[in-house]
Amino acid sequence: DGGITQSPKYLFRKEGQNVTLSCEQNLNHDAMYWYRQDPGQGLRLIYYSQIVNDFQKGDIAEGYSVSREKKESFPLTVTSAQKNPTAFYLCASSRGLGQPQHFGDGTRLSIL
Amino acid sequence: DQQVKQNSPSLSVQEGRISILNCDYTNSMFDYFLWYKKYPAEGPTFLISISSIKDKNEDGRFTVFLNKSAKHLSLHIVPSQPGDSAVYFCAASAWDNQGGKLIFGQGTELSVKP
Repeated sequence: DGGITQSPKYLFRKEGQNVTLSCEQNLNHDAMYWYRQDPGQGLRLIYYSQIVNDFQKGDIAEGYSVSREKKESFPLTVTSAQKNPTAFYLCASSRGLGQPQHFGDGTRLSIL
Repeated sequence: DQQVKQNSPSLSVQEGRISILNCDYTNSMFDYFLWYKKYPAEGPTFLISISSIKDKNEDGRFTVFLNKSAKHLSLHIVPSQPGDSAVYFCAASAWDNQGGKLIFGQGTELSVKP
């Protein structure tokens, strides 16, 4: 079955630590995205990638970094510079920009 | 600046009746609109979409209506079923204006009561 896998489902971080969230897709999609969801808010775009070795900042990129070395993988690093990292993080992919996006089941990040 | 707004955070409907979820947008460059459904602790799943050249798109129990002059779209679910209880997000994109990125509303939580 094709799909998007995010791991882990729950993640805890100590203050001052960087943490990396995994996102893998086997849908052969070119575009991948990272969103953040906070209570009572919609999904806000952190970073997106149209193609391998290329990525662009979304609306709330500060304190985050990404890489796109392989088509299947788009890991997100939440750095210590992100002041309010506790949130539900969603990864998505699509055939191309503007196409319907398929989402993973998310990773909930909490600060200890 | 919220370009896509869902002003009703929640909606409760009786099973078998119609559910109407509303969404307003401000950017006249949006040309593609989508609805997603999300269960707790899961990612959103794509439901239905509509291009700005249409005013209606139907898929089974789900119909999306687009009123471009009012910058308003709505999702109708008929008949509503308890399994439809979830958070519904509308999203919009504008290829020329924003490179096709999706802008999401805040979501409306639908509760369908038996």
